[in-house]
Amino acid sequence: KAGVTQTPRYLIKTRGQQVTLSCSPISGHRSVSWYQQTPGQGLQFLFEYFSETQRNKGNFPGRFSGRQFSNSRSEMNVSTLELGDSALYLCASSSAGTDNSPLHFGNGTRLTVT
Amino acid sequence: DQQVKQNSPSLSVQEGRISILNCDYTNSMFDYFLWYKKYPAEGPTFLISISSIKDKNEDGRFTVFLNKSAKHLSLHIVPSQPGDSAVYFCAASEAGGTSYGKLTFGQGTILTVHP
Repeated sequence: KAGVTQTPRYLIKTRGQQVTLSCSPISGHRSVSWYQQTPGQGLQFLFEYFSETQRNKGNFPGRFSGRQFSNSRSEMNVSTLELGDSALYLCASSSAGTDNSPLHFGNGTRLTVT
Repeated sequence: DQQVKQNSPSLSVQEGRISILNCDYTNSMFDYFLWYKKYPAEGPTFLISISSIKDKNEDGRFTVFLNKSAKHLSLHIVPSQPGDSAVYFCAASEAGGTSYGKLTFGQGTILTVHP
C-alpha cells in the first residue's frame, strides 16, 4: 500500500506570493490533516478535512486554507506569504474511524520564503 | 502554553542498552498518546500508541508506559540499535482527537545510539 504522497518536495517563493501544496492520502483513508513544523514552534496542527469538509482547525491566520476533493486528495494554500511561513509542511492521513487510530505522515514539502 | 513536553532535548545510549525517552503532559483531556520517530528530510513515522485505559503497551523492542496520575509517559527501546538514532516525538490527542486528525506534539528528543 502506497504511503502519503506530498508534492512538491521543495518550494521557494517570494514574500507576498501565494503557494499551493498537494497531498494524496493512503488509499482508503478519508481524513487528511496538515501540520507545520518549524525549529521554534515544533509541529503544529493546521487543519483537518474529512469528506470534503473542514472538520477541525488550529490557531493559524486565515491566510492558511485548504480543501479536500471527492477522491480524498487535499490541497493546502497559503496566501500573501511571509518570511515566517518558511517551514516543513506535513500532511497526514488516517482512516478516521470512531476508534483511535494513528496518523500516517508524508515526507513533507519544504517551503522557503525569501 | 506547551501542553506536551519532552524535557530532554537529547539522549545518548550505547548499542544494546536500554533507551528511555520521557514525556509529560498538562491537559487532562488527553486520552490517547503516540510516539513517532523522525529522520531528517522525512515525515514522522508512527511507532507505538497507548490509550488512557491502559498503563503499558508493547510492540517488539518498543514499550510505552503511561502514568495518568503523574501525567507522564515514557518510551523504552530494548535493545537499542544504531538505526534507532533519530528524533522521537511524543504526541497526544483528546477524546475523539485522532478521528479529527488533531495531535499535540512535544518538541522532540534526539536519540543517538553509539555502536
